[in-house]
Amino acid sequence: AQRVTQPEKLLSVFKGAPVELKCNYSYSGSPELFWYVQYSRQRLQLLLRHISRESIKGFTADLNKGETSFHLKKPFAQEEDSAMYYCALTGRGSTLGRLYFGRGTQLTVWP
Amino acid sequence: SAVISQKPSRDICQRGTSLTIQCQVDSQVTMMFWYRQQPGQSLTLIATANQGSEATYESGFVIDKFPISRPNLTFSTLTVSNMSPEDSSIYLCSKQGTDTQYFGPGTRLTVL
Repeated sequence: AQRVTQPEKLLSVFKGAPVELKCNYSYSGSPELFWYVQYSRQRLQLLLRHISRESIKGFTADLNKGETSFHLKKPFAQEEDSAMYYCALTGRGSTLGRLYFGRGTQLTVWP
Repeated sequence: SAVISQKPSRDICQRGTSLTIQCQVDSQVTMMFWYRQQPGQSLTLIATANQGSEATYESGFVIDKFPISRPNLTFSTLTVSNMSPEDSSIYLCSKQGTDTQYFGPGTRLTVL
């Protein structure tokens, strides 16, 4: 069965500090991994996906198949990064399109 | 991006009643999804709603409790039937885009 684990419910850092939000997954096939973000009073939106290998708002995430991890990183956190972050997984074939979410990590960046 | 609207945005309901949530998307799409987010919990997929066929429910969710309609390619409804306080949640719909899902703003349901 698929599972997405985000071990940290809350994470606080100071502005300018590096930040890493952890995500581990289990999936029997070839997953696609995503990070979604929800800013205060806004709807859930895609931040980045692993197959794009892109950097969005300074965030990057590398899929480590050996460790089954997809940690989200940013070298210098900004106050506007404060939000709820969800790691999510989808599969291929019969599970195409169905997203499975971790419980989320609330990131707070202090000035 | 995408424009997805949900009605109502919030409601307070009595135990034993039913509520139908509407989801309207801005473009025709084959796959729409319904999620539940209970207080302090993550998003859990309830079902996949495909136009022209029965919805596909995830483990732990049944059609009698959460009937879904998908009358056309831009609209879907989720009904929460015979509600109890445990059904108090945020319910979100989403649509499948090219490379991701786009989410509605959610419907916050409180059951007394």
